[in-house]
Amino acid sequence: QKEVEQNSGPLSVPEGAIASLNCTYSDRGSQSFFWYRQYSGKSPELIMSIYSNGDKEDGRFTAQLNKASQYVSLLIRDSQPSDSATYLCAVISNNYGQNFVFGPGTRLSVLP
Amino acid sequence: DAEITQSPRHKITETGRQVTLACHQTWNHNNMFWYRQDLGHGLRLIHYSYGVQDTNKGEVSDGYSVSRSNTEDLPLTLESAASSQTSVYFCASSDSGPWDTQYFGPGTRLTVL
Repeated sequence: QKEVEQNSGPLSVPEGAIASLNCTYSDRGSQSFFWYRQYSGKSPELIMSIYSNGDKEDGRFTAQLNKASQYVSLLIRDSQPSDSATYLCAVISNNYGQNFVFGPGTRLSVLP
Repeated sequence: DAEITQSPRHKITETGRQVTLACHQTWNHNNMFWYRQDLGHGLRLIHYSYGVQDTNKGEVSDGYSVSRSNTEDLPLTLESAASSQTSVYFCASSDSGPWDTQYFGPGTRLTVL
């Protein structure tokens, strides 16, 4: 089992819809979780971090964390074509010296 | 504005050559990281440093080395480039600790022929 798993996509949603991106991780002791967005040919940029169970909202973005299920998700409300990118889930893992472990990313396409 | 830069942005080299990729940050962050990104693997940690004179191996460190002589710079050296090291390389830095948000440089695309 990989340390951090994501559906590779592509995930296609119509403009204005909710996009739901999922991530599972294997290190039960992980405490810190991050979502990064990466446009094609560009570097990753942070969208949100989440550390506690539950939901965390920032504008159109909501991160959800369930440590018992080892699951973190990102919801994007009112999706826009400019949201089309690859979304990377990152987890701080004890198995890797308390360093970031990134999932392979999910490619999102928002259709006008 | 504070930033993190990488050079060169594109590099083509031959198998067996030594290559050094530069990373420079002006945030005065203690922590710096090197990743490589390949299709299907995502970002994988090569080396990292928590401060001057500190360096540590990451998940995929074989064939790479780093040194940290000041806060601002963490150059990545490929001792003898191999075709398997063709990749996009990202440098990142963070402030408080490895659990803190990491900020990424623009990346270097390296091709080893």
